[in-house]
Amino acid sequence: SQTIHQWPATLVQPVGSPLSLECTVEGTSNPNLYWYRQAAGRGLQLLFYSVGIGQISSEVPQNLSASRPQDRQFILSSKKLLLSDSGFYLCAWNKIPNTGELFFGEGSRLTVL
Amino acid sequence: SQELEQSPQSLIVQEGKNLTINCTSSKTLYGLYWYKQKYGEGLIFLMMLQKGGEEKSHEKITAKLDEKKQQSSLHITASQPSHAGIYLCGADKYNQGGKLIFGQGTELSVKP
Repeated sequence: SQTIHQWPATLVQPVGSPLSLECTVEGTSNPNLYWYRQAAGRGLQLLFYSVGIGQISSEVPQNLSASRPQDRQFILSSKKLLLSDSGFYLCAWNKIPNTGELFFGEGSRLTVL
Repeated sequence: SQELEQSPQSLIVQEGKNLTINCTSSKTLYGLYWYKQKYGEGLIFLMMLQKGGEEKSHEKITAKLDEKKQQSSLHITASQPSHAGIYLCGADKYNQGGKLIFGQGTELSVKP
């Protein structure tokens, strides 16, 4: 069966520090991968998506970047965090390609102080 | 402006009561998806609606998509404490699969 994992689960970082959030999918190959952010107010916003190794599309201009060094690994990074980067970051993948039926990880809660 | 409007924003119901959550878009959608989230956790996929007039049910939850594919409702019959959580609708506006636009969510509390 397929599973998706994110870590760390919780992170408190000072402004200006770097960030690395990791997401790994198991039990499938060549998944479409997504990073969403959920800020206060509960709505989710798509940040990045990837259809393959090294292929990253950014949906909104921001202080963050994403990378996909391996087929089932998706990393969210920042060189210098801003207060506005605080939020709940969710990684997801399509079980059925080209649909919105997504399977989400447990999330990583980032607080920037 | 919010592209997907959900209502109500929060809802408190007595166990055993029925309830409805609505999701509205100003534009026709390729697909409409309902998810449930418990606080601090990831989203769980509930149902997908793609055809105008489509209706799907799973256990005590029924979701409908109107003929114009701009409005959807999620109906819970005989609510239970296990139904509590945040319900989010997600829309595929551009036929691009997992690139969803989400509503702000409806927080449901069920009182025993």
